[in-house]
Amino acid sequence: SQTIHQWPATLVQPVGSPLSLECTVEGTSNPNLYWYRQAAGRGLQLLFYSVGIGQISSEVPQNLSASRPQDRQFILSSKKLLLSDSGFYLCAWATGGGETQYFGPGTRLLVL
Amino acid sequence: SQQGEEDPQALSIQEGENATMNCSYKTSINNLQWYRQNSGRGLVHLILIRSNEREKHSGRLRVTLDTSKKSSSLLITASRAADTASYFCATDAWGYGQNFVFGPGTRLSVLP
Repeated sequence: SQTIHQWPATLVQPVGSPLSLECTVEGTSNPNLYWYRQAAGRGLQLLFYSVGIGQISSEVPQNLSASRPQDRQFILSSKKLLLSDSGFYLCAWATGGGETQYFGPGTRLLVL
Repeated sequence: SQQGEEDPQALSIQEGENATMNCSYKTSINNLQWYRQNSGRGLVHLILIRSNEREKHSGRLRVTLDTSKKSSSLLITASRAADTASYFCATDAWGYGQNFVFGPGTRLSVLP
């Protein structure tokens, strides 16, 4: 069966510090991978998606970047965090022709 | 403008009552999905309904889709306190490529 992992679960970082959030998927090959941000009490904003290794599409201009160094690994990064980067970050995967997304447990990021 | 939008934004009911949430969207879709999110957790897929289907059931869940009105409803029958969560609809709309577009969600509170 497939599983998706995200870490860390919670992160408190000062403004201007770097960020690296990791997401890995097990039990499937060549998944589509997604990073979302969710503000408190709000819906999901798609940040990045990837259909293969090294292929990243960005949905919104922002202070963040994403990379996919391996088939089942998706990393969200920032060189210098802003206060506005605080939020709940969710990683998800779907099969290439799939209709359903499967979400990780999320990372709560607080930038102070 | 948002592709998917749920209403009401918040709903509070007593245990045993039925809960109905609605979702409206703007463009043509292949399918529409409903997800559930417990506070501070990832999203869990509940049910998918295709554009050529009008109604679908899964346990205590009933989903309808009216493509002429570009709307869907999620009915939870005989609600339980454990149903307390946020519910999101998501569409994979034409023109959005491999992406899914989520609404802002309905926060359901089921009071014991």
